[in-house]
Amino acid sequence: DAGVIQSPRHEVTEMGQEVTLRCKPISGHDYLFWYRQTMMRGLELLIYFNNNVPIDDSGMPEDRFSAKMPNASFSTLKIQPSEPRDSAVYFCASSLFSFYEQYFGPGTRLTVT
Amino acid sequence: ELKVEQNPLFLSMQEGKNYTIYCNYSTTSDRLYWYRQDPGKSLESLFVLLSNGAVKQEGRLMASLDTKARLSTLHITAAVHDLSATYFCASLHSGAGSYQLTFGKGTKLSVIP
Repeated sequence: DAGVIQSPRHEVTEMGQEVTLRCKPISGHDYLFWYRQTMMRGLELLIYFNNNVPIDDSGMPEDRFSAKMPNASFSTLKIQPSEPRDSAVYFCASSLFSFYEQYFGPGTRLTVT
Repeated sequence: ELKVEQNPLFLSMQEGKNYTIYCNYSTTSDRLYWYRQDPGKSLESLFVLLSNGAVKQEGRLMASLDTKARLSTLHITAAVHDLSATYFCASLHSGAGSYQLTFGKGTKLSVIP
């Protein structure tokens, strides 16, 4: 298996633009997680899905952030409109069982200027 | 608010020496995780500790959990340069039908020849 795949790996955008991050989990994994990592706030769990259904989005910082999982092999995290404080590395992870061993993707480094 | 505190945050140690990283958490934890992150890379799951007294070992790393003391430790035996990385612990707390996963700030380990 190729592991968790994220795209793009790097994204540079201007403030106010819409940004879409993509994730393909490991096949057969029922849980998908989105995380954000910054120097100031560390690692934060934003949202997680079980069988494509969002279970808890309490970590999503603002209404500007939204996440979807239209099928078992694809998820998106969208920021609209983006702001400089959204600059971070965004990780997607998947797991076979709820909050057991998680496999992380390589991350997307987002820079909002 | 669930808090997870790691110490030390920075650790420089000589090859061949032993050391312990500590992870304290503020409320009852359902699971305790340890992750490794190399500079500019993603996170790698090291251990998932489920119950009081749990001990897991992989190579030169051993993790343990004391739920009564709300403490987990990551012990490094006879350190080698390849262990240089940042190590994160994270505590999982369940309540109100969902989970809250909180990370420590990380311990940056440098192993010096």
